[in-house]
Amino acid sequence: AQRVTQPEKLLSVFKGAPVELKCNYSYSGSPELFWYVQYSRQRLQLLLRHISRESIKGFTADLNKGETSFHLKKPFAQEEDSAMYYCASRGSQGNLIFGKGTKLSVKP
Amino acid sequence: TAGITQAPTSQILAAGRSMTLRCTQDMRHNAMYWYRQDLGLGLRLIHYSNTAGTTGKGEVPDGYSVSRANTDDFPLTLASAVPSQTSVYFCASSDLAGGGFYEQYFGPGTRLTVT
Repeated sequence: AQRVTQPEKLLSVFKGAPVELKCNYSYSGSPELFWYVQYSRQRLQLLLRHISRESIKGFTADLNKGETSFHLKKPFAQEEDSAMYYCASRGSQGNLIFGKGTKLSVKP
Repeated sequence: TAGITQAPTSQILAAGRSMTLRCTQDMRHNAMYWYRQDLGLGLRLIHYSNTAGTTGKGEVPDGYSVSRANTDDFPLTLASAVPSQTSVYFCASSDLAGGGFYEQYFGPGTRLTVT
């Protein structure tokens, strides 16, 4: 079965510091991977998808098939980046299989 | 465009009572999903529907039922609520037609407390 692992429940950094939110997946085929973000008391929204290789709000994520990872990175964290971040892969029914989430706290 | 809406926003429900959580989308998406969000567990799929008239079970379907009478609505029913169903429930939708990537859009969530 597909599985997405986010090893860190909480990540706390200072403003301006680099950020890396870890995500590992288990899937034998070609995965479709995403990062979703949930700001305080807001709905989940798509941040990044691996197929587009884009940078959104300064965040990037690269799929590493050798390490089965899809880590989310940002060189300089901002206070407004504080949120809950979920890594997810697409399931067989078009659903999303989520990791348990990492809460990012950016301190001033 | 409203996108995807859910009702109620929050609810306190006595154990043993029934309740229907409503979800409506106006994007004409063919696929809809219900997830529950629990601290430390992330979001888990309860039920899904890939098109009107069909539904399927997700990872945690027990105690829940769904129906998909039309494209727009996907209600989630708890027949006899139990405290372990205390959670935040998110409805989502996406367009599955033609393959490829289709973003999944989420509703604002319903916070349910079963006492």
